[in-house]
Amino acid sequence: NAGVTQTPKFQVLKTGQSMTLQCAQDMNHEYMSWYRQDPGMGLRLIHYSVGAGITDQGEVPNGYNVSRSTTEDFPLRLLSAAPSQTSVYFCASSEREGGAPHGYTFGSGTRLTVV
Amino acid sequence: QQQVKQSPQSLIVQKGGISIINCAYENTAFDYFPWYQQFPGKGPALLIAIRPDVSEKKEGRFTISFNKSAKQFSLHIMDSQPGDSATYFCAARGFSGTYKYIFGTGTRLKVLA
Repeated sequence: NAGVTQTPKFQVLKTGQSMTLQCAQDMNHEYMSWYRQDPGMGLRLIHYSVGAGITDQGEVPNGYNVSRSTTEDFPLRLLSAAPSQTSVYFCASSEREGGAPHGYTFGSGTRLTVV
Repeated sequence: QQQVKQSPQSLIVQKGGISIINCAYENTAFDYFPWYQQFPGKGPALLIAIRPDVSEKKEGRFTISFNKSAKQFSLHIMDSQPGDSATYFCAARGFSGTYKYIFGTGTRLKVLA
């Protein structure tokens, strides 16, 4: 049982490049989310999904796209990287309890630097 | 109204002491309050959680105290150990069209040996 797997662990991009951060979970969780972690700002929600085919924006969605074609995978796409997107990105998944996400399991993160 | 305010930003405690981290919220519709522990280079991991109909929950050396009227909750780590040195995040689950978690800004705890 691998839990939540994120790839790559580290990435350096040039401004304007695009890339996809991969996230996969093997727990059959319905809820999946992407967070970014910046010093002094905690974890901020980028996008989330409540099931395959259903996604929505979090509090900091600009510059990012997501899709959820399967229950297992929830990739995050950076459309045109900017230095402000330098951050650590976490994918998380959660089972449903009474219709709500309960107890997120986080991946180990992707450290992204945009130069 | 969606914020969760966490304090202190950093905390240094002697081995064997009690570590206390506080969080406050505004939204009375929050219905679930977890705490996460994060070690350097790792993702956050669920530590302990409480619902607003309970005033205290204890799991081993970790206790959540919840004050619904004051809209505050805190994490107490008894007999703190160097292995507890990590960053701790409080969170709150709320509903606005769908369920979302709002995280505090984190507390970096260092336990001195």
